[in-house]
Amino acid sequence: DTEVTQTPKHLVMGMTNKKSLKCEQHMGHRAMYWYKQKAKKPPELMFVYSYEKLSINESVPSRFSPECPNSSLLNLHLHALQPEDSALYLCASSHGPSYEQYFGPGTRLTVT
Amino acid sequence: GQQVMQIPQYQHVQEGEDFTTYCNSSTTLSNIQWYKQRPGGHPVFLIQLVKSGEVKKQKRLTFQFGEAKKNSSLHITATQTTDVGTYFCAGYSVLKLTFGKGTLLTVNP
Repeated sequence: DTEVTQTPKHLVMGMTNKKSLKCEQHMGHRAMYWYKQKAKKPPELMFVYSYEKLSINESVPSRFSPECPNSSLLNLHLHALQPEDSALYLCASSHGPSYEQYFGPGTRLTVT
Repeated sequence: GQQVMQIPQYQHVQEGEDFTTYCNSSTTLSNIQWYKQRPGGHPVFLIQLVKSGEVKKQKRLTFQFGEAKKNSSLHITATQTTDVGTYFCAGYSVLKLTFGKGTLLTVNP
């Protein structure tokens, strides 16, 4: 199984809402990532978890809060987002930080 | 911080023509990875290069890693319509993978 799953596929939320994005992998990977991708741009790294511990936070605003409940799951909690946060949010996983990454299909987020 | 430049930004070819995209890093890389993202899709891993001067082939795709481990290229021979998409290089250094801006390839049948 080389699949990374993400839910929901689409999400529309208001600026006062709280929502969560979920990501799951069953490849035994110990590194998991959140990326943000705007249209016609490359994926932009947000967070890296290694062995369930946050190892990299790319100075992401606190309205984005990651969580890694176990080695297979990764969540991204959203609160008080801005319209400019609308983007495709991609989750990825890998055996380790230097290995190839497997991306999920993403959650397309629209903030109104 | 680390920067990875990629050119060209766009490339339109006739089916059967060759295509090349180039990637250059501001720092020496531990490895370089290539991904393809189809329109409306997500990045899919193609290959990883680790050694200085390494060349790898996948059917019509040829990947090269420079001697100084700071540049790389992807060459597609005789493009097909299935090659359409954005090709990203991504350089790994200091625990992070940094993506180039990508090259959008369109193929006219």
